[in-house]
Amino acid sequence: SQKIEQNSEALNIQEGKTATLTCNYTNYSPAYLQWYRQDPGRGPVFLLLIRENEKEKRKERLKVTFDTTLKQSLFHITASQPADSATYLCALNQGGKLIFGQGTELSVKP
Amino acid sequence: NAGVTQTPKFQVLKTGQSMTLQCAQDMNHNSMYWYRQDPGMGLRLIYYSASEGTTDKGEVPNGYNVSRLNKREFSLRLESAAPSQTSVYFCASSALLRTDYSNQPQHFGDGTRLSIL
Repeated sequence: SQKIEQNSEALNIQEGKTATLTCNYTNYSPAYLQWYRQDPGRGPVFLLLIRENEKEKRKERLKVTFDTTLKQSLFHITASQPADSATYLCALNQGGKLIFGQGTELSVKP
Repeated sequence: NAGVTQTPKFQVLKTGQSMTLQCAQDMNHNSMYWYRQDPGMGLRLIYYSASEGTTDKGEVPNGYNVSRLNKREFSLRLESAAPSQTSVYFCASSALLRTDYSNQPQHFGDGTRLSIL
């Protein structure tokens, strides 16, 4: 079955810098990959979806890439702000269901 | 616009007790899901309902039952709670596009924090 790996170590960056989070998967390439944001005590909130035939997708300061050769998705937040501090989850489809990674905690310091 | 509403928000049970977690969505979504989230484990799917009238097991269904009461409501029942079921439980919903609902964003409630002593 599919296994998803996100960096379990928290990512600490300075305000204004670009944050880059990684999502690696182990088996077949999924047709879709999604990214979510989760704040403490809250449920995940959908951010972006990227399809396997899309190399890159952007939404405001967010950018997601999808490399099916490397079996990897990168999630970028440009001009990061303290309000971007949260845990970010990637998820991919398997057999019609979503499989989630464990998430990477991002902390943006002013 | 409430989205996905879960009740209760917190609950403490003793081992062997039973309870039902409630979930309702007001987005007219066809598909609904129950997940549990444990530290370091990520979200794991317990059960899901692709559409009204159907339910299927997810990755970790043992010890749980579900009921899709109508299009809006999807409940999760613990018949005999065990300490291993201490977790945060999330309900989610999504639209159904043809037969593939995994390409649709999921909308989550804010969870039920359940402790079993």
